[in-house]
Amino acid sequence: SAVISQKPSRDICQRGTSLTIQCQVDSQVTMMFWYRQQPGQSLTLIATANQGSEATYESGFVIDKFPISRPNLTFSTLTVSNMSPEDSSIYLCSVGASQGPLQETQYFGPGTRLLVL
Amino acid sequence: AQSVTQPDIHITVSEGASLELRCNYSYGATPYLFWYVQSPGQGLQLLLKYFSGDTLVQGIKGFEAEFKRSQSSFNLRKPSVHWSDAAEYFCAVGSSGSSYKLIFGSGTRLLVRP
Repeated sequence: SAVISQKPSRDICQRGTSLTIQCQVDSQVTMMFWYRQQPGQSLTLIATANQGSEATYESGFVIDKFPISRPNLTFSTLTVSNMSPEDSSIYLCSVGASQGPLQETQYFGPGTRLLVL
Repeated sequence: AQSVTQPDIHITVSEGASLELRCNYSYGATPYLFWYVQSPGQGLQLLLKYFSGDTLVQGIKGFEAEFKRSQSSFNLRKPSVHWSDAAEYFCAVGSSGSSYKLIFGSGTRLLVRP
């Protein structure tokens, strides 16, 4: 499976500011995903980021609030814009298996723990 | 629409005892099913997955799960729990086709008594 890293691992931010989270993979992958895990909750998909195309956002998430970049097959960023305390969550990126019939399998990064004051 | 239900929010077992975590899904076709584990302060680690074939799948750390189509279930089991198994466990269902999205259950927190 792919090795996935995220930066920063955690941050404390002031409301109204923005934070960009980076996700780096050690191999080329087609599918990358961004999830949010609110305190004590399960994971909710924010968007799917494929290289060479615009990110596809899930219901309830918009590009102005969560802009995503996917410049190549090993890297993606998620920005949390104009933050409020309600954005305090763990943000996780995941990647789909790189090939074969098991592309539906996703592997997750360690997450970025965000606290907004 | 796809959905996943994990009916147990918390489960407490004694170390060495057996474990079964429940997962029920709703999906129109044959689902792709996954179990992930999240240790405190960590990301998610894939325990096992079911795509097709043998309905009893083996995973890492001594875990197994059984797919039962008639019951729409994919319960996770371990014959003897270790203290290090204390974590949050998530069941997820995936869709085939172009989206490859995962829908997660609400999670079950496992506590292990010494």
